Amino acid sequence: ETGVTQTPRHLVMGMTNKKSLKCEQHLGHNAMYWYKQSAKKPLELMFVYSLEERVENNSVPSRFSPECPNSSHLFLHLHTLQPEDSALYLCASSQERTGLTEAFFGQGTRLTVV
Amino acid sequence: AQKVTQAQTEISVVEKEDVTLDCVYETRDTTYYLFWYKQPPSGELVFLIRRNSFDEQNEISGRYSWNFQKSTSSFNFTITASQVVDSAVYFCALSEARSSGTYKYIFGTGTRLKVLA
Repeated sequence: ETGVTQTPRHLVMGMTNKKSLKCEQHLGHNAMYWYKQSAKKPLELMFVYSLEERVENNSVPSRFSPECPNSSHLFLHLHTLQPEDSALYLCASSQERTGLTEAFFGQGTRLTVV
Repeated sequence: AQKVTQAQTEISVVEKEDVTLDCVYETRDTTYYLFWYKQPPSGELVFLIRRNSFDEQNEISGRYSWNFQKSTSSFNFTITASQVVDSAVYFCALSEARSSGTYKYIFGTGTRLKVLA
């Protein structure tokens, strides 16, 4: 079982659809992250949750709505997206507050908005 | 401001050549961490190495080696005798503590390495 699992791996959705991305970590970490990776652009940090509390929201449009019900699960709810939102969405987790471990990443969800 | 610069967008080498990927960072903190990640075509970022700001000892792991120099704010990555399987995008990252006590990761734009057979 891999450390960080993301589902689905691929998603195609229309601009009026509502969908959710799921991330699950089996590493016992206390921090989880959503990143967006677009072609030819750096990794963009979207949201950070630490101990299930959102500690960072990097000016992400409200059409992206994160949810962290517990320390092992992280969701990204999507609605009324735009074609420019098409990207690879990566989830990561790390252990914080007692020092720092490296972040472990999932394989990502390749999202295409049509 | 914190920043990570990977000036090499893409590098192509022939198999068995050595290749060095450059990483330069900017930070005002005295305590920070540096990382290298590999992103193969499958998409996930694979952790390669972590270094804290107080440990400037260079490290070697098989064909991989890392050169950390605080004087030049650089953390370069060398692959010796490259192989086709090394083809991937490589990211350098910096992590600093936030006032909340949590950490923030800042990634470079990545260097795409192509190793040709």
